[in-house]
Amino acid sequence: KQEVTQIPAALSVPEGENLVLNCSFTDSAIYNLQWFRQDPGKGLTSLLLIQSSQREQTSGRLNASLDKSSGRSTLYIAASQPGDSATYLCAAPPQDSYDKVIFGPGTSLSVIP
Amino acid sequence: ETGVTQSPTHLIKTRGQQVTLRCSSQSGHNTVSWYQQALGQGPQFIFQYYREEENGRGNFPPRFSGLQFPNYSSELNVNALELDDSALYLCASSPYRVASTDTQYFGPGTRLTVL
Repeated sequence: KQEVTQIPAALSVPEGENLVLNCSFTDSAIYNLQWFRQDPGKGLTSLLLIQSSQREQTSGRLNASLDKSSGRSTLYIAASQPGDSATYLCAAPPQDSYDKVIFGPGTSLSVIP
Repeated sequence: ETGVTQSPTHLIKTRGQQVTLRCSSQSGHNTVSWYQQALGQGPQFIFQYYREEENGRGNFPPRFSGLQFPNYSSELNVNALELDDSALYLCASSPYRVASTDTQYFGPGTRLTVL
């Protein structure tokens, strides 16, 4: 059974720092790997999607990598800003039942001005 | 703005009661999924409906049930509420019959508190 974990659970950094969020999964047979942002009490906003055959995706200050063999994905945020403060979730749908998505518990990020 | 709306925004119920949560999908999206997100956790998949039929279910008991209507609206019903049902409930719509999160548009959620 797929398990998705995220480290750290919470992170507080000063504005301008570069940071890395980690997502680990136990079963490498994933359909894709997706990173989301969630503001308190709100829905999910998709940030980056990495197909299972890809190694990384970039969007602006965000870069996500995928290493299926080690069961890891990282989200790199460059030059963090207070507006980046939110919870970041990764999702790893199983390849053979990709509607039954497994989410990680999230990393709560606080960027201090 | 995803075009997916949910109502109500917040709801308070007592243990043992029944609750109905509503979702309005983006026009043209025939698939709706529901997720439960407890505080400090990631969302958990409850079930998915396509054209008014359930076509996928997560590890939730039968007291969690759903309905989907031809006008792109849907409901999540929970009977015999328990304290652990307190959570943010998210719906997501998709134009694909079997939808993963990469094709889903998420609503803002309904916060349910069970006392």
